Amino acid sequence: AQSVTQPDIHITVSEGASLELRCNYSYGATPYLFWYVQSPGQGLQLLLKYFSGDTLVQGIKGFEAEFKRSQSSFNLRKPSVHWSDAAEYFCAVVPLGTSYDKVIFGPGTSLSVIP
Amino acid sequence: GAVVSQHPSRVICKSGTSVKIECRSLDFQATTMFWYRQFPKKSLMLMATSNEGSKATYEQGVEKDKFLINHASLTLSTLTVTSAHPEDSSFYICSASTPNYGYTFGSGTRLTVV
Repeated sequence: AQSVTQPDIHITVSEGASLELRCNYSYGATPYLFWYVQSPGQGLQLLLKYFSGDTLVQGIKGFEAEFKRSQSSFNLRKPSVHWSDAAEYFCAVVPLGTSYDKVIFGPGTSLSVIP
Repeated sequence: GAVVSQHPSRVICKSGTSVKIECRSLDFQATTMFWYRQFPKKSLMLMATSNEGSKATYEQGVEKDKFLINHASLTLSTLTVTSAHPEDSSFYICSASTPNYGYTFGSGTRLTVV
């Protein structure tokens, strides 16, 4: 079945530590890939996106993500986490070949940061 | 650029009444907008795709008569929750695809039905 998965429901890291949030997808063709962040009670902010080309994508707030076709993954990374990064992170895809360009979201990973 | 404005941010209504949520693209034209619903501590569930000048396309399981969507112009889509009940309480978010093929989201509307 077509899906977007984020294996980690909740992650806790210390401030200054590195971070990696996992995302896997299951679609016939590589979809467009996105990472969004949501603070409590707020809308979504786009961190970065991948359509094609360089598989290492740089985003805002010091985030980057790497697309690995062989693993059907698009993991989000940050070398040094700040307390303000605590939020909900969603991996999302736009499946290619659909009638409408609808964004399908993964279940999300909640990030807590220990001072 | 590519800002989507959603209004109101919070609304409380009585059971049985209707509530309208607006989603506007401020600096671009959006022929297609999307409406999502988010339950507490859950992901976003796509409810429907709103197309300017035509009927919305609803996802399976979404009641089109309860969640009325109108996309009358290239910058405005509205979601009306009709005959609201407490189980309709949720966080509703709209989005639009932007010229650079990103997806911009509104700030969301917290609906509470009492």
